[in-house]
Amino acid sequence: DTGVSQDPRHKITKRGQNVTFRCDPISEHNRLYWYRQTLGQGPEFLTYFQNEAQLEKSRLLSDRFSAERPKGSFSTLEIQRTEQGDSAMYLCASSLGLVETQYFGPGTRLLVL
Amino acid sequence: QQQVKQSPQSLIVQKGGISIINCAYENTAFDYFPWYQQFPGKGPALLIAIRPDVSEKKEGRFTISFNKSAKQFSLHIMDSQPGDSATYFCAARGGTYKYIFGTGTRLKVLA
Repeated sequence: DTGVSQDPRHKITKRGQNVTFRCDPISEHNRLYWYRQTLGQGPEFLTYFQNEAQLEKSRLLSDRFSAERPKGSFSTLEIQRTEQGDSAMYLCASSLGLVETQYFGPGTRLLVL
Repeated sequence: QQQVKQSPQSLIVQKGGISIINCAYENTAFDYFPWYQQFPGKGPALLIAIRPDVSEKKEGRFTISFNKSAKQFSLHIMDSQPGDSATYFCAARGGTYKYIFGTGTRLKVLA
């Protein structure tokens, strides 16, 4: 257990529905990352927060995806109007300042039917 | 130019053998190169990492070799054990703390 928690661990939804995932980073970590991982692939960068500011967002991320980190603590990732291609593992990671080590959570596995 | 190419896709090694996984990159702006280990159903966990000003780093049975001129780096697992069976990812970090991951190597160590 790295200290990064994600909820829920699994989510099954129907195409067109909205889903929201939560990530609780290690408490003192100011940097938070979201990644998407599909079967047989490495994690793919989605977005990055430093404290509450969203500093970078992947150009691959459609407008249906939005992430927030209010008060620089936990973060949420929302996917609107889900599509079957959104089925993947969504990983959250956090790190502290200039220390490079990213600690990953266990991920949320999403299945869109 | 943002890709990190990883090989092999899968690897089978006898217990006690050496496992070698290779990665190559194009972007010379990458400044930090970690390796992650991932077990099924878990998130990736940092194994070992290196900066481009160092040619080799060793931690226990794990060694990273880094060739800056060739833009390649590799992970060596000495005395491989069945418990090392997992998927390994190399990664590279750009200046904005954005990480690019390789496609992964599934390692199986036979008892």
